[in-house]
Amino acid sequence: DIQMTQSPSTLSASVGDSVTITCRASQNINSWLAWYQQKSGKAPKLLISRASSLESGVPSRFSGSGSGTEFTLTISSLQPDDFATYYCQQYNSYSGTFGQGTKVEIK
Amino acid sequence: EVQLVQSGAEVKKPGESLKISCQGSGYSFNTYWIGWVRQMPGKGLEWMGIIWPDDSDTRYSPSFQGQVTLSADRSVSTAFLQWSSLKASDTAVYYCARRKATAGRDAYDIWGQGTMVTVSS
Repeated sequence: DIQMTQSPSTLSASVGDSVTITCRASQNINSWLAWYQQKSGKAPKLLISRASSLESGVPSRFSGSGSGTEFTLTISSLQPDDFATYYCQQYNSYSGTFGQGTKVEIK
Repeated sequence: EVQLVQSGAEVKKPGESLKISCQGSGYSFNTYWIGWVRQMPGKGLEWMGIIWPDDSDTRYSPSFQGQVTLSADRSVSTAFLQWSSLKASDTAVYYCARRKATAGRDAYDIWGQGTMVTVSS
């Protein structure tokens, strides 16, 4: 089974900051990686698929990069609405393992 | 509107059985994979398994194989997640989600609102 390791687990930042979250896969997953945002009590929301493809309606301050085993999600200028928990997910096969999540909180 | 609507919250006792549902609308339900995801209280997302409603082809995470059963009823555009004997550790929110592409690998673009399952004596 493919394992996903996400870091950091918590990130404290201010509005306007640029933040980066890292996700590592235990084996090569090419670009079969997605990023989700989850707010408290809500379902996850798909932000990015295929490692770097921004979903329709998602602000351009979100960007993804990477391939193989190392991936990053960058939020270029943090907005109040961005304080949430972010998860990566691999979908290299039928399975869809998630990373442990990164909580982005207000500094 | 494309959406998945899940059944309501459940409170059950250990050892009881349960079947929760996820009904799709606004798209061709039978030809998109539906996945299930568990979120235990205060914890992260765990992928449980996936089903192809058209023929009920099913794949499970090793962690959930034998613990739950996925099924689907094409005639009512509904997928199901069931337990035969609940444990307290099954207490969680369960989400269903649609895989974005009809064929091949893809992320989950449409999510249900979640079903809270509480198992307590």
